[in-house]
This record gives sequence, C-alpha cells and structure tokens, in this order.
Amino acid sequence: ETGVTQTPRHLVMGMTNKKSLKCEQHLGHNAMYWYKQSAKKPLELMFVYNFKEQTENNSVPSRFSPECPNSSHLFLHLHTLQPEDSALYLCASSQEEGSGLPTRDTQYFGPGTRLTVL
Amino acid sequence: AQTVTQSQPEMSVQEAETVTLSCTYDTSENNYYLFWYKQPPSRQMILVIRQEAYKQQNATENRFSVNFQKAAKSFSLKISDSQLGDTAMYFCAFGNFNKFYFGSGTKLNVKP
Repeated sequence: ETGVTQTPRHLVMGMTNKKSLKCEQHLGHNAMYWYKQSAKKPLELMFVYNFKEQTENNSVPSRFSPECPNSSHLFLHLHTLQPEDSALYLCASSQEEGSGLPTRDTQYFGPGTRLTVL
Repeated sequence: AQTVTQSQPEMSVQEAETVTLSCTYDTSENNYYLFWYKQPPSRQMILVIRQEAYKQQNATENRFSVNFQKAAKSFSLKISDSQLGDTAMYFCAFGNFNKFYFGSGTKLNVKP
C-alpha cells in the first residue's frame, strides 16, 4: 500500500449519469494529481492541485470536474461522459517544497478506478 | 516539448538474469527528476528508483540501478537477478517545475 486510496475501484456508468471518483492520501502531502491511463498510451496528467489550488488543467474536457476540499482529499466529478473516456483513473500525491513551486518529485499512486462508460 | 520515449513495448527475461529497459527523454531544462515506476498486474504503481539530474552518480536501489547519461538524455533501468515478482509494466517518467511526463511503458515478463 502506498498510502493513497481510491474509491470506487470499479465504476460502470451510462453517458447520461453523474458520478464522482474519490481519492484520499494519508501521507501528509500537499499536492495531488489526477491521471488517465488508457491502454497502450502514456499516462495523461489531467489535473494538479498544489496546496489545494488547482495549478494545472491539461486541456481536459469540461465533463471532468475536479474538486480539492483539503490537501488530503481529491474528487473527480464526472458527467455526460463518452465511451472513449473509459480508462483507469489514477490519483497520486507528492510533497512539494514550501516555496510553492512544484518540484515534481516522487509521486505516490493510488490503485486507480477502472471506469467503463457505456 | 518534453517527451519521454520507451522504445521497447515488451521484453522477456529468464529468472536470475539481468535485463535493461531503455528510456530517452527530451527537454531543454537543466534541473529535473527522472523516475522509474513499476505497475504490477492489477496492483498499484510504485516507485522503483529516482534520479536527480544534477547528480552525476547513478542511483541504485538493491537489484535496480540506472545508467543516466544526461548529455544523451538517456535513462535506462537495469534489473539484476530478475525475480518473478519483477513481472510488471515499467514506466519511465520525467518531472520538473512545470511538468510531469510518463513514457508509454515496457511490459516486462520474467520467466521461470
């Protein structure tokens, strides 16, 4: 176990549903990330929260909406998804330096949520 | 653009032998981190080894070592005395102040 948990582990949803993915880290880290892992493609960084502030949104469609209420929790709200959004969604956390500049040091990953959009 | 390339989609090695996984990257930055992550089947991705670009000495962690060639922008992973538990996807990754990039991965099969 890496100290990062994700729920649910598996999710099947229709294109009109609204669901949320949850991530929690027990490591005292101050930065959290959402990644999309599709078959035979590199991991795609979706969102970054540093000190609870969103610092990156890598051109992710608005049907994905992140929320970071505190430095230990991260959510990914999903609505009107498409079948091509089916993938493994990974959450990660890291400890960034207090200067506010992300060092992009070691990340600790959760087990992921396997999402299937019908 | 900063990209990470792993040119070996899949590799096999006999148990107890040595295998080297290749990784190249492209960046104009001078300060950054490089990582190898391991993702076993249906299990969490975990860090294998980490290298700071400003350190010339190659990082080692038990049976895992890297060959970091900064000028060539190469960062290969050597696994010595391969074990069945080393079977996994291995991802090379690049991180610096602005970005974090992963390669497409190398699937390593360790055969008994």
